[in-house]
Amino acid sequence: GQQLNQSPQSMFIQEGEDVSMNCTSSSIFNTWLWYKQDPGEGPVLLIALYKAGELTSNGRLTAQFGITRKDSFLNISASIPSDVGIYFCAGSGAGSYQLTFGKGTKLSVIP
Amino acid sequence: NAGVTQTPKFQVLKTGQSMTLQCAQDMNHEYMSWYRQDPGMGLRLIHYSVGAGITDQGEVPNGYNVSRSTTEDFPLRLLSAAPSQTSVYFCASRTPGARETQYFGPGTRLLVL
Repeated sequence: GQQLNQSPQSMFIQEGEDVSMNCTSSSIFNTWLWYKQDPGEGPVLLIALYKAGELTSNGRLTAQFGITRKDSFLNISASIPSDVGIYFCAGSGAGSYQLTFGKGTKLSVIP
Repeated sequence: NAGVTQTPKFQVLKTGQSMTLQCAQDMNHEYMSWYRQDPGMGLRLIHYSVGAGITDQGEVPNGYNVSRSTTEDFPLRLLSAAPSQTSVYFCASRTPGARETQYFGPGTRLLVL
């Protein structure tokens, strides 16, 4: 089946730094979704991408749909303590009934 | 809109007990899914439904049953709980198509003793 590799698994950054994470798929996707999960909560949808090359922002977050359609990137600029959490990517291919999820990137922000 | 709601938030069961985790959505989404989340394992799909009356198995279906009698509701049943089913369970609803999105509920934390 489809596999998603998400990296890095975890990262510790200083407050104010920029953050980058990415996901790579073994097959072509038509949709990429990025989520954030706070401790004890459900994942919350941050950004949705539907077209190769698409770049979409949500506040300090920017995500891109890779041109090969097999990868996606999430950047967080000027990190703040409330950015702490686990970030998941998810994607689906043509005709798929299921989303494939990455295993998440755990972000820690040092004040 | 309440989005996706799940009850209960927390539950403790003894081995062998049965229970139903409730999930409801008010967005008229066709697709609904159940996932379990365990440390280091990410989100794993248990069962999903593409519409009322239609369900199918996901990656880890054993020990769980589902039904979808209405668009809004998608309950997950544990027939005979086992300690291996201790996990956090998330329900999700999704709009398929060219601009698909998926939304999650707040989760049910289940402990099986």
